[in-house]
Amino acid sequence: QKEVEQDPGPLSVPEGAIVSLNCTYSNSAFQYFMWYRQYSRKGPELLMYTYSSGNKEDGRFTAQVDKSSKYISLFIRDSQPSDSATYLCAMSLYNFNKFYFGSGTKLNVKP
Amino acid sequence: NAGVTQTPKFRVLKTGQSMTLLCAQDMNHEYMYWYRQDPGMGLRLIHYSVGEGTTAKGEVPDGYNVSRLKKQNFLLGLESAAPSQTSVYFCASSYSNLEQYFGPGTRLTVT
Repeated sequence: QKEVEQDPGPLSVPEGAIVSLNCTYSNSAFQYFMWYRQYSRKGPELLMYTYSSGNKEDGRFTAQVDKSSKYISLFIRDSQPSDSATYLCAMSLYNFNKFYFGSGTKLNVKP
Repeated sequence: NAGVTQTPKFRVLKTGQSMTLLCAQDMNHEYMYWYRQDPGMGLRLIHYSVGEGTTAKGEVPDGYNVSRLKKQNFLLGLESAAPSQTSVYFCASSYSNLEQYFGPGTRLTVT
């Protein structure tokens, strides 16, 4: 069983829609939860990170962690064509040395 | 300020050949990482370093070696390439060990 599971998509939505991206995980010891965005043929870039449970908002993006369900989400409000990319979730134990990534969800926002 | 750079960008090897991938960062980061990214598998950690002169194994270290002789450089070596090592390789660096900055990737094909 993979440590982190993520639906690969693709997910296709119209411009302006609210997008929900999700990951589940199996290791209850994960403490830090991250979302990366990866454009085609580029390296990933960090969007947001959260520690333990709860919500965190940054502009149009909201990250949510539910440790009791081992489930994390990224919500994108008012989605734009420029949001079209692959979104990767990642998790880390307390010592940060190793990060565990989901396989990524490909998002396409249609104008 | 170039960030994280990787050399080369593309490479084709024959089975059994060797090569070295170079990662360089100009942000004075302590932590550096090598990942491979395969379809449906996400990013998997090969080796990492928490400082100059240190290296440690990640999730998939077999068939690879690394060296961190200088703080700004992290080298990934393949001593005897195999077709299973066909992948996109990403290097990353980090100051706080939470926010990783990724390079543009190296596309390696082993025939």
